[in-house]
Amino acid sequence: GQSLEQPSEVTAVEGAIVQINCTYQTSGFYGLSWYQQHDGGAPTFLSYNALDGLEETGRFSSFLSRSDSYGYLLLQELQMKDSASYFCAAPTGSARQLTFGSGTQLTVLP
Amino acid sequence: KAGVTQTPRYLIKTRGQQVTLSCSPISGHRSVSWYQQTPGQGLQFLFEYFSETQRNKGNFPGRFSGRQFSNSRSEMNVSTLELGDSALYLCASSLEGDGEYGYTFGSGTRLTVV
Repeated sequence: GQSLEQPSEVTAVEGAIVQINCTYQTSGFYGLSWYQQHDGGAPTFLSYNALDGLEETGRFSSFLSRSDSYGYLLLQELQMKDSASYFCAAPTGSARQLTFGSGTQLTVLP
Repeated sequence: KAGVTQTPRYLIKTRGQQVTLSCSPISGHRSVSWYQQTPGQGLQFLFEYFSETQRNKGNFPGRFSGRQFSNSRSEMNVSTLELGDSALYLCASSLEGDGEYGYTFGSGTRLTVV
């Protein structure tokens, strides 16, 4: 089966750095994606790591270690607007459909 | 370019009824996937259509079905609605259905079954 585990909640203050971890167990691993979803909104694609290492996109970075079946999303210089749910997801199966983790609710405090 | 459009945004139905939801993908995208999102179960994959063919199906009962038209627009249908079907139904489009390059999600249809 496929499973991705991530913490349910994380709280941090504005301007800080926060890391959201994701551990996975999937058959046929291709890579790890991250999505952001604000309350009532659509999930939006943030990043994808196919290879080990760090990918940086502005204030957001994502890391993957295939040997550890582990990845994380790093958010720097937190802003209030970063308060949202963050999902890790992995393409699984022959059609590479996304299996999502249960999501991490990030709350940014002033 | 226009995003993924889902209609209607909100829907209230009675147990036992059926419902049809619509999704128009980004122009040129041939893959449409459907997800059910609930607070307890998170985002769960329903099915994926590619070039009018169902290519993959999640672990949902046969009451959940879908189809895709030649213009890539997709519909999903839920028959004999149950209270537990209350959820946000999201569709996502991509060029070829390769999840690694990112899906574009619609804003969803919020279905409430009473």
